[in-house]
Parts: sequence; structure tokens; C-alpha cells
Amino acid sequence: GQNIDQPTEMTATEGAIVQINCTYQTSGFNGLFWYQQHAGEAPTFLSYNVLDGLEEKGRFSSFLSRSKGYSYLLLKELQMKDSASYLCAVMDSNYQLIWGAGTKLIIKP
Amino acid sequence: NAGVTQTPKFRILKIGQSMTLQCAQDMNHNYMYWYRQDPGMGLKLIYYSVGAGITDKGEVPNGYNVSRSTTEDFPLRLELAAPSQTSVYFCASSPKSGTGDEKLFFGSGTQLSVL
Repeated sequence: GQNIDQPTEMTATEGAIVQINCTYQTSGFNGLFWYQQHAGEAPTFLSYNVLDGLEEKGRFSSFLSRSKGYSYLLLKELQMKDSASYLCAVMDSNYQLIWGAGTKLIIKP
Repeated sequence: NAGVTQTPKFRILKIGQSMTLQCAQDMNHNYMYWYRQDPGMGLKLIYYSVGAGITDKGEVPNGYNVSRSTTEDFPLRLELAAPSQTSVYFCASSPKSGTGDEKLFFGSGTQLSVL
């Protein structure tokens, strides 16, 4: 079966760095997405990786290793507004998205 | 730009009642999707559409129906509501699919409770 694993919850301190991991086992691979979802709101797109390596977008970076079935989202200079759930999703060989359950990130002052 | 507009935001249904969740997008996107999100679970695809007149089942279609008469609108119909359909529903759209790099644009969600 297809599976996406990510930690249920993480806690970090304002101003620090946090890394959210995602491992996947899917039928084929056509890219990996990260979405941010604030409580009670809709997910919003953060990043897309299809090739191995690191993609940087301001304070957020996303890394992919296809051979290891692994990705991480790196958040730097954490701000209170970064408190949210972070969803990892993989597009399989049929171009269908398989979603992880999400990681709830709690930022403490 | 309104993006993806989804109504209603909240609804309580009695077991056996029916309702339609409305979804409209003004971005001329071909692909539209309905997801449900249960606590502690990933988003589950209910139905999707690749264009007007074309719909297909997702992972969890039972108890739901959809139609796509126009590019803009993609309503989700719940017939004979059951407590298992208590969830948060999201409509989403994307410009196309098949190349892998299209991000989804989500509506604001509908919190549905079936009692």
C-alpha cells in the first residue's frame, strides 16, 4: 500500500530552526509537496520537489531524496505565525496525491 | 480574485438528510477536487474532475455524488447523510494535472456534522 509518515507534533522556540521529516512509500513518484495549514483554515502551498536536493524559499527550505523516500521541510527564524500543521503529499504514478496526516508545529516564545 | 469559493462554512445535518456543498473557482482551472479531512488523518480524495462534463471517483466516494456542468462549478451532493460523513470538506482546483508540478488552490472548507 501507499504510505506517508510524518511526526504528529513538534515543539520549537521562536527564533530557532526546526526540521519536519516526511518518509514515503508510493506507487511511483511524480513530485512531493509541502502545504501549511493554520487551525481552522485551508491548506496553502509551500513547496514542490521533484528532483533530489534542496529548494530554498526565504525562511523555508525543502529537501528531497528519492532513493531514500525522504523529504524534510526546514523552517528558520521561527515566528509565532509559523504555528500550524505542515502537510506532506506525494504525487504517485497516476498523478494522484497521497497525503500524510500532517505535523502540528507548536512555537513557544 | 476570489479564487475558490466554498459554501456553506458550517452545517449540521440529521441522519438521512441530504445537502449540496457548493464550490466555484474563477481561475479557469481544468481540474477540481473534493477532499475530506478527519482529525489525525490525511486528506482523502472523494471525487475529482478533469474538465466540464467529466468526473471520476477518488479514494472514498461512497455516499457522495458530484457533477461538473461548467468549468467554474463543482458541487458535492450528500445523499442520506450518516454520522461517518461528519468531517471537514475542502474543495480545491489546479490548472492541470499530468505534469506533476501543479499546486492546489483550496476553498475555505465546510465543517459538517451529522447527528
